[in-house]
Amino acid sequence: ETGVTQSPTHLIKTRGQQVTLRCSSQSGHNTVSWYQQALGQGPQFIFQYYREEENGRGNFPPRFSGLQFPNYSSELNVNALELDDSALYLCASSLQGPQFFGPGTRLTVL
Amino acid sequence: AQSVAQPEDQVNVAEGNPLTVKCTYSVSGNPYLFWYVQYPNRGLQFLLKYITGDNLVKGSYGFEAEFNKSQTSFHLKKPSALVSDSALYFCAVRDEPAGANNLFFGTGTRLTVIP
Repeated sequence: ETGVTQSPTHLIKTRGQQVTLRCSSQSGHNTVSWYQQALGQGPQFIFQYYREEENGRGNFPPRFSGLQFPNYSSELNVNALELDDSALYLCASSLQGPQFFGPGTRLTVL
Repeated sequence: AQSVAQPEDQVNVAEGNPLTVKCTYSVSGNPYLFWYVQYPNRGLQFLLKYITGDNLVKGSYGFEAEFNKSQTSFHLKKPSALVSDSALYFCAVRDEPAGANNLFFGTGTRLTVIP
């Protein structure tokens, strides 16, 4: 059984740029959630995708967007990057049960 | 609104002693409660969950948690701490299964087990 994987591991961008983060869900899981974990904080829910449709969204602006593909992998896109977007971005997959998290992508915005 | 509180930023315990990491929650419906652990530069690892049933839930690595509805608490426990248990622990909650499956996390408690 393959766990949740994320790419890239680390990323450095400058303000105003755009970024795409990728997530492969655990085998058989059809739901993917994205979280932002700022330094010293708990993860905060960004949005969730279920069968390629957005299925819930947290308190994040529209410049945070996502996709889910037929194989249930997912992308998180962030436009017009701001310094406060620097964080660990976590992807989690599930199938009517607990969410299993990937190792995260650490994004630094300079 | 859903929320969880972890009142202790840091918990220190000697190896071999019992440990408790505290969590209280607030939900509008029936709570689904979770504990996750995060090691440095790693994602979150699922430890255990409470959905319904027995108030004492057993999980991975010898951890257990006690659900107390009257005190709205879900404290994480382990009878004998190991140095390797040193990590960041997060409590999380979500409302009843209807709707999105998103979790609300606490701010985390850093557990240090002293040899």
